[in-house]
Parts: sequence; structure tokens; C-alpha cells
Amino acid sequence: QKEVEQNSGPLSVPEGAIASLNCTYSDRGSQSFFWYRQYSGKSPELIMFIYSNGDKEDGRFTAQLNKASQYVSLLIRDSQPSDSATYLCAHAGNTPLVFGKGTRLSVIA
Amino acid sequence: KAGVTQTPRYLIKTRGQQVTLSCSPISGHRSVSWYQQTPGQGLQFLFEYFSETQRNKGNFPGRFSGRQFSNSRSEMNVSTLELGDSALYLCASSSGLAGGYQETQYFGPGTRLLVL
Repeated sequence: QKEVEQNSGPLSVPEGAIASLNCTYSDRGSQSFFWYRQYSGKSPELIMFIYSNGDKEDGRFTAQLNKASQYVSLLIRDSQPSDSATYLCAHAGNTPLVFGKGTRLSVIA
Repeated sequence: KAGVTQTPRYLIKTRGQQVTLSCSPISGHRSVSWYQQTPGQGLQFLFEYFSETQRNKGNFPGRFSGRQFSNSRSEMNVSTLELGDSALYLCASSSGLAGGYQETQYFGPGTRLLVL
């Protein structure tokens, strides 16, 4: 069973702080990793994707991948109330995307 | 480019009925994947179509079916609806050319189905 585990939260952080979202996966064949953000009542939208071990930065977002530990994380710097949403981790290889159930992030003003 | 569109956005059906949902991918995208999202199970893969052929299928009963047309638009059908089919149904498109599932998928707004 190819699974993705995420802490369901809610994760509460104060405005301006760093939010750290974590995800572990079981399929060692996974090659691509994605972070999607989903606001309540809306569809998921892509935040970041990462293929290689290490860090990838895009604005306030940094994705970190460690394939040996089967671990991927998303850091959100300078968190804003508008970042409050559910963050979905997903991975894929030669099989379709497998999603975690998401971590609910709440940024407190 | 216009995004992924789905119709209808909301549906109310009763048990035993059937339903057809439609998805139009981003122009030029040939792969369409369908997902079911429920609070308990999260996002679960239903099936994927590429160039009118089902390329992969998730672990759902045969009541769930789909198809893709030559213009890449896709439909999914659920027959003999059950209460547990109440969910948000999402479709996502990608070019499908990279092979595998490593490229980004772009989601439509979803169809919210309520089965009474």
C-alpha cells in the first residue's frame, strides 16, 4: 500500500512565524513530490513540486526532500493569515498521485 | 490559458440514481485524472485517461466509470448511487506527455455531489 502520512493538525502559528509541514511516504519508487494548498470549499492548487534531494525555494515557500528517510517537508516563512488552509502532500512515480489527508494550518493574526 | 472546468458544480441525487460529471482540461492537455475527496478518506484516485484510453484505474467499484473524447474532454459516470458516494469529485489535467505521473496536475473547481 503506497501511503502518505501527514499530521492532520490543526497547526497554529502566529503571523510572521515559520510554519513547518511534514510528510512521510512509504513508496521508495516515488520520484516526484508535490505540495498543494486547499482552501475550504475550493480545489487544490499547486504550491511546490520537488524531484531531487535537498531544498527548493520559491518565494516564502521552501520544500525539502530526503529520499533516504522518505520524508518531505514544506516551510512557509513570514506566515500570513491568507496562508490558513489545508496543505496536501502528494507523491508520484510510475503510478498516479497518492495524496496525504492534509495538514490544516491556521495562521493567527 | 483557461483553467480546468467542471460541470455541474453542484448536484443532488437520490440513492439508486446515476450521475454524469464533465471535465474540460486545459487547452493542449491530453491527460485527465479523476479524484474523489471525502473528509474521511481524503483525495483518492479514480482513473486517468490519456488520448481517449484509460491508462490507470484506482480501487473503486465498477459503478464508477469514465471516458474521454477526442477533444480530451472527459466524463465520469456513477451508477446506482449510494449514500457513501457523496463527495467532492475533482478532475485534474496535465499534458500527459512526460510519461509516468511526474508532471504537475492542475485541478478543476470540482463537482460537489450529495446523495440523499
